Amino acid sequence: AQTVTQSQPEMSVQEAETVTLSCTYDTSENNYYLFWYKQPPSRQMILVIRQEAYKQQNATENRFSVNFQKAAKSFSLKISDSQLGDTAMYFCAFMPYMEYGNKLVFGAGTILRVKS
Amino acid sequence: DTGVSQNPRHKITKRGQNVTFRCDPISEHNRLYWYRQTLGQGPEFLTYFQNEAQLEKSRLLSDRFSAERPKGSFSTLEIQRTEQGDSAMYLCASSPTTWAGEKLFFGSGTQLSVL
Repeated sequence: AQTVTQSQPEMSVQEAETVTLSCTYDTSENNYYLFWYKQPPSRQMILVIRQEAYKQQNATENRFSVNFQKAAKSFSLKISDSQLGDTAMYFCAFMPYMEYGNKLVFGAGTILRVKS
Repeated sequence: DTGVSQNPRHKITKRGQNVTFRCDPISEHNRLYWYRQTLGQGPEFLTYFQNEAQLEKSRLLSDRFSAERPKGSFSTLEIQRTEQGDSAMYLCASSPTTWAGEKLFFGSGTQLSVL
């Protein structure tokens, strides 16, 4: 069974600064997908970024980028130029490559607080 | 595209009562998922549908839980004889295709409190 570990329960960062959220996972599979989802106080989970394991290039979405280390099974999220609206719970999630299912396995989350 | 809609937003019930939640996925999304999120934890998979067919159920889904998706549109999740351990947020998600690695679109959840 796959597991996802987020070792930082809470993080704080000053507005405009950069912060990195950590995530490690455990799997015996070679093909899979990794995601970072954001859950603001409104509770709706929003996709931040997605990485395909067979791609060596790290995914980037505007101010959000990942450092994907497949051998180390590590998938950290870097947020540059942090904004107050980035304050949320961030979940790292693993999706095995399957013909059916596309089920997500989530970590316990990291609360990020952006301070002005 | 109005997003995934879940009702009610909050539900408070007494132990032993039955409750039902509704999820309206994004129109024409053929996959629909239910997850449960307890305080301080990430969401856990409960079950999923492809159109009207329920294809997988987690071991977390005890006999007191039942989910339906008639006609492949909206879905309902019913919990019978609720217990305090059922208190959690129940999230619904949908996706447009069956492609591997497809993005899931989530609703805002139904927060259940069992007294």
